[in-house]
Amino acid sequence: EIVLTQSPGTLSLSPGERATLSCRASQSVTSSYLAWYQQKPGQAPRLLISSASSRATGIPDRFSGSGSGTDFTLTISRLEPEDFALYYCQQYGSSPPTFGQGTKLEIK
Amino acid sequence: EVQLVESGGGLVQPGRSLRLSCAASGFTFDDYAMYWVRQAPGKGLEWVSGISWNSNNIRYADSVKGRFTISRDNAKNSLYLQMNSLRTEDTAFYYCAKDGWELTLKFYFDYWGRGTLVTVSS
Repeated sequence: EIVLTQSPGTLSLSPGERATLSCRASQSVTSSYLAWYQQKPGQAPRLLISSASSRATGIPDRFSGSGSGTDFTLTISRLEPEDFALYYCQQYGSSPPTFGQGTKLEIK
Repeated sequence: EVQLVESGGGLVQPGRSLRLSCAASGFTFDDYAMYWVRQAPGKGLEWVSGISWNSNNIRYADSVKGRFTISRDNAKNSLYLQMNSLRTEDTAFYYCAKDGWELTLKFYFDYWGRGTLVTVSS
């Protein structure tokens, strides 16, 4: 199965700054079938990005995804207070679908 | 508005069984594959099982294969997970999730329920 490694484990930034989260796969992700989710404490995950770069319905355009092959990035252009949360990447190009271990985005 | 509401979680002893349900609304249920994804308290996400729109294609994670059974009732807009021979490592929040693509098992999840907690302990 494909192992996804997210970095950094924790990212400390201030509102208004730019956040760059990385997701690296142990093998190439077929067709860039890579998704990003946001999870806040006590809540279910929310889909942000699918197919590496397609924003989900209702997701602000400050969220963007990029990458292909084994290296993918989630960028939040200007952090809002509500963006501080846990972020997971997930590949769905190969069975079984797998998740990264998560990056915690915290307020500096 | 898409809504997924899980139920059936609780405290159960190792080796016993539990059945989870998920009531869906706000979309054409029988157009989409559905899934169960779990999260142990304080841990990451793990895909558990998926079922196609017509129940013809069913998949399981190796960790639950042979113990868990996924099913759906399109007439009732409901998804189920029968969990047998439960182990302490099955303790987790169990989320019901909807596939992001119509009429195929694409294995990504565009809507999630709030989850139901299953605790396996003696």
